[in-house]
Amino acid sequence: GQQVMQIPQYQHVQEGEDFTTYCNSSTTLSNIQWYKQRPGGHPVFLIQLVKSGEVKKQKRLTFQFGEAKKNSSLHITATQTTDVGTYFCAINSGNTPLVFGKGTRLSVIA
Amino acid sequence: DVKVTQSSRYLVKRTGEKVFLECVQDMDHENMFWYRQDPGLGLRLIYFSYDVKMKEKGDIPEGYSVSREKKERFSLILESASTNQTSMYLCASTGEETQYFGPGTRLLVL
Repeated sequence: GQQVMQIPQYQHVQEGEDFTTYCNSSTTLSNIQWYKQRPGGHPVFLIQLVKSGEVKKQKRLTFQFGEAKKNSSLHITATQTTDVGTYFCAINSGNTPLVFGKGTRLSVIA
Repeated sequence: DVKVTQSSRYLVKRTGEKVFLECVQDMDHENMFWYRQDPGLGLRLIYFSYDVKMKEKGDIPEGYSVSREKKERFSLILESASTNQTSMYLCASTGEETQYFGPGTRLLVL
């Protein structure tokens, strides 16, 4: 079935540094979603990207969908301790269930 | 707001016991899912259902079964719990392509 690779698996940053996580697929995607899971919590939907080259922003978070619709990134500017958690991308094709990346766990050192 | 609830946050069971994990959603969603989450392995799909009395195997269905007698309720059953089923179990439902997760059940099998 369809798979998505997500890197890095872990990232430790000093507070105020930037952070980026990447998702890559070998096939063209119809859309890609991003979720955040706080420590001890459950994944929460952040955003969905649909169009080729799409860029969306949510405050300090910038989401990009590649021109070929095979990759996506989530960039956080000037990380804060509230950004700590695991960030997942998720893809689907038609009526099949979402396929989640393995996630990137972000630690922020104050 | 969409609400997905799970019957227990924490559960401790003995090897060989039959375990029921209940999930209820209040948004009339047709699609419901059960995942388990383990460190380093991300979210793995156990079973899903697109309608009442309908069920489909996910990526790791062995040792599990499910029941969907009513639209709002999706139950995960461990027929004979084993220690390798110690995990975090997450239920989700889908509305307009977005997945809404329950708070999770952390199951410990001794």
